[in-house]
Amino acid sequence: DAGVIQSPRHEVTEMGQEVTLRCKPISGHDYLFWYRQTMMRGLELLIYFNNNVPIDDSGMPEDRFSAKMPNASFSTLKIQPSEPRDSAVYFCASSRLAGVLEQFFGPGTRLTVL
Amino acid sequence: DAKTTQPPSMDCAEGRAANLPCNHSTISGNEYVYWYRQIHSQGPQYIIHGLKNNETNEMASLIITEDRKSSTLILPHATLRDTAVYYCIVRVKGAAGNKLTFGGGTRVLVKP
Repeated sequence: DAGVIQSPRHEVTEMGQEVTLRCKPISGHDYLFWYRQTMMRGLELLIYFNNNVPIDDSGMPEDRFSAKMPNASFSTLKIQPSEPRDSAVYFCASSRLAGVLEQFFGPGTRLTVL
Repeated sequence: DAKTTQPPSMDCAEGRAANLPCNHSTISGNEYVYWYRQIHSQGPQYIIHGLKNNETNEMASLIITEDRKSSTLILPHATLRDTAVYYCIVRVKGAAGNKLTFGGGTRVLVKP
């Protein structure tokens, strides 16, 4: 398996623009997570899905952020409009329902909002 | 989830064992101790987890005290590639508690 795939790996945009981050989880995994990492706040959970259904979005900072999971193999995290304070590395992770429950993380998307 | 306390940083000599402590004095009976690490510019990576017995895998060993209020992650023979931030996380294992809450972690620098 190729692991969790994220795209793009780097994104530079201007304030006010819409940004869409993409994630393909590991096949067969039931959970998908979106995290954000900054120097100031560390690694924060934004939202997670179970079987494509959002379970907990309490970490989503505000209405400018939205996440979808239209099927088991794809998820998006959208920021509209983007702001400079959204600059961070965004990680997607997936895990199975049972067993160890370890989360497998993708390589991340480094977002810079100018 | 129980809060954890880790030293912010530590150095280790290459080839020696690295012992990473973690305090979790408010841990509940159904909470597991998980360890992840994050190598620079990469996503976090699972290392090991345990409930109350000591655990060992190909990456590390986990020693949990009898009262479960603290634990130690042991990297038996540290290499330069083990330089990373190590996170100790305590959480319930199961569908309802599948979230991970990352703290500050311990920044480990393995020196030649």
